[in-house]
Amino acid sequence: SAVISQKPSRDICQRGTSLTIQCQVDSQVTMMFWYRQQPGQSLTLIATANQGSEATYESGFVIDKFPISRPNLTFSTLTVSNMSPEDSSIYLCSTTGTDGSQPQHFGDGTRLSIL
Amino acid sequence: QKEVEQNSGPLSVPEGAIASLNCTYSDRGSQSFFWYRQYSGKSPELIMFIYSNGDKEDGRFTAQLNKASQYVSLLIRDSQPSDSATYLCAVERGSSNTGKLIFGQGTTLQVKP
Repeated sequence: SAVISQKPSRDICQRGTSLTIQCQVDSQVTMMFWYRQQPGQSLTLIATANQGSEATYESGFVIDKFPISRPNLTFSTLTVSNMSPEDSSIYLCSTTGTDGSQPQHFGDGTRLSIL
Repeated sequence: QKEVEQNSGPLSVPEGAIASLNCTYSDRGSQSFFWYRQYSGKSPELIMFIYSNGDKEDGRFTAQLNKASQYVSLLIRDSQPSDSATYLCAVERGSSNTGKLIFGQGTTLQVKP
């Protein structure tokens, strides 16, 4: 499976600020996804990062709050905008196989705390 | 009704026993099913995936799928203390290769020496 690297691994931010999380894959992959895991909760899909076009957001998530870029087949960013304490979560990037097949594997995640 | 349901546990088993983890899902069109293991403070790690009805074995792990009953399970044989973790059931939404995974709340497994 592809090796997925996320930066930063963790951060503590002030409310009202924005943070961009990077996801780098060591090989070209068809699909990239962003998930959120709130404290004590399971994973929730935020959006599908589409190469060369706008991301596809799940219900409850909007582009203004979570803008996503995917400039090529190995890289994506997720920005958490105008942060509030409710955004304190682990944000995870995942990919399918190089041929688009399942299963998905996850990066190590970004642990974000908002003060 | 949640799309993917699991008992949150904790499920406690003695070392060497069989741990049985269960999951039900609501989307009859789903075709792909996954089990992830998550240690505290770590990201989810894929353990098993299954696409067809029946059993699929990999080492000490067996995944079982019954699409008619919308039920998927994970059996862990000869459980070890290192198996103590949260196990997440994930179902791919839709019948095509969407890649969109819906996760259950996870079952916490405790294996006691």
